[in-house]
Amino acid sequence: GQQVMQIPQYQHVQEGEDFTTYCNSSTTLSNIQWYKQRPGGHPVFLIQLVKSGEVKKQKRLTFQFGEAKKNSSLHITATQTTDVGTYFCAGLMDSNYQLIWGAGTKLIIKP
Amino acid sequence: GAGVSQSPSNKVTEKGKDVELRCDPISGHTALYWYRQSLGQGLEFLIYFQGNSAPDKSGLPSDRFSAERTGGSVSTLTIQRTQQEDSAVYLCASSSGPGLAGGKETQYFGPGTRLLVL
Repeated sequence: GQQVMQIPQYQHVQEGEDFTTYCNSSTTLSNIQWYKQRPGGHPVFLIQLVKSGEVKKQKRLTFQFGEAKKNSSLHITATQTTDVGTYFCAGLMDSNYQLIWGAGTKLIIKP
Repeated sequence: GAGVSQSPSNKVTEKGKDVELRCDPISGHTALYWYRQSLGQGLEFLIYFQGNSAPDKSGLPSDRFSAERTGGSVSTLTIQRTQQEDSAVYLCASSSGPGLAGGKETQYFGPGTRLLVL
């Protein structure tokens, strides 16, 4: 079936280091969305990418959508404690407008 | 309403009992999703309602799980004969539904129902 693979499952960083999570779809996506879930909270929408090769920035966060619209990445520069949480990608399939979710990457700041 | 609401926020039940979880989506949203999230895990898709179309039930883990959406608004997820492995947070999300790729598929999540089966 349709899948969106997301890696890594966890990433431990020192505060101030960068963080990256990657998503790869088995099929071409209509668009891809990114969500953040804080510990104990529910997923909250961050951004949507629609166009092939699109790059969007939100302060220290950079989101990319691949040329083939099958992969995407989220890069956080100089992580802060407020960035802690799990980042999910979710790809929209053209066929039934259903979002297929990645498994999430948990960002952990080392003490 | 202002956002997606779910009730109850917490539910403790005994193994073998039935439970009903409720979701009130954002007014006007035609798409509604149910997910399950076990502790520290990702989102497990359960079921998807879109307007008057037949729901996509492909994610329901067993025939003990069922869901309804009445009048295209409120949805109820029912788990019959609960098992301990059903313990999880059940999340509901709604979106304004398919259309142009202009953000209409953005999902808005409720706070979830934490289910504990003893």
